[in-house]
Amino acid sequence: NAGVMQNPRHLVRRRGQEARLRCSPMKGHSHVYWYRQLPEEGLKFMVYLQKENIIDESGMPKERFSAEFPKEGPSILRIQQVVRGDSAAYFCASSPSASTVNEQFFGPGTRLTVL
Amino acid sequence: EDQVTQSPEALRLQEGESSSLNCSYTVSGLRGLFWYRQDPGKGPEFLFTLYSAGEEKEKERLKATLTKKESFLHITAPKPEDSATYLCAVRSNFGNEKLTFGTGTRLTIIP
Repeated sequence: NAGVMQNPRHLVRRRGQEARLRCSPMKGHSHVYWYRQLPEEGLKFMVYLQKENIIDESGMPKERFSAEFPKEGPSILRIQQVVRGDSAAYFCASSPSASTVNEQFFGPGTRLTVL
Repeated sequence: EDQVTQSPEALRLQEGESSSLNCSYTVSGLRGLFWYRQDPGKGPEFLFTLYSAGEEKEKERLKATLTKKESFLHITAPKPEDSATYLCAVRSNFGNEKLTFGTGTRLTIIP
């Protein structure tokens, strides 16, 4: 009964490189959310996806960031041409489909460091 | 815009010393208030969901309560293993499914 899985757990990139963060939701969950946590700040919503659809990307920076949740495979958060300000912990959460239960269950996070 | 303010930022208690953490919120129609626990280097762990004023939920040494403007997380006779950052979040009727988080209360229980 695995929980939300994220990989890699730690990722180091140089400025200008690309970062790809992966998230596998809990079994039976088809709603995925990405949040970013900067040092000494709260978790900030980035994007909400269902299978093959982006539902709400109001928290996603307009440039360099993109997210997808394909029919098969994990959800991916992609950051192009990373800058030092992208250094943060990125958390993925999932929730069940077609349910009135509202809880979001979080993964262990990916800690991105941009050199 | 939804807002969540948590206080205090940090709290140190002796083992067995009960206390409360506060979460004040402003939201356009509350659809749920959530408490999570986060240990260093880990993801938030779900604790409680509260939906309406007057509601209370309990789990071991923790009890969460809700009014129209704030929520409290009461910790009774805490143990060192209760040390963590406690996060409060809200979901509104108009924000799709996103959670708006506070910055958390860092709780330290001293043996």
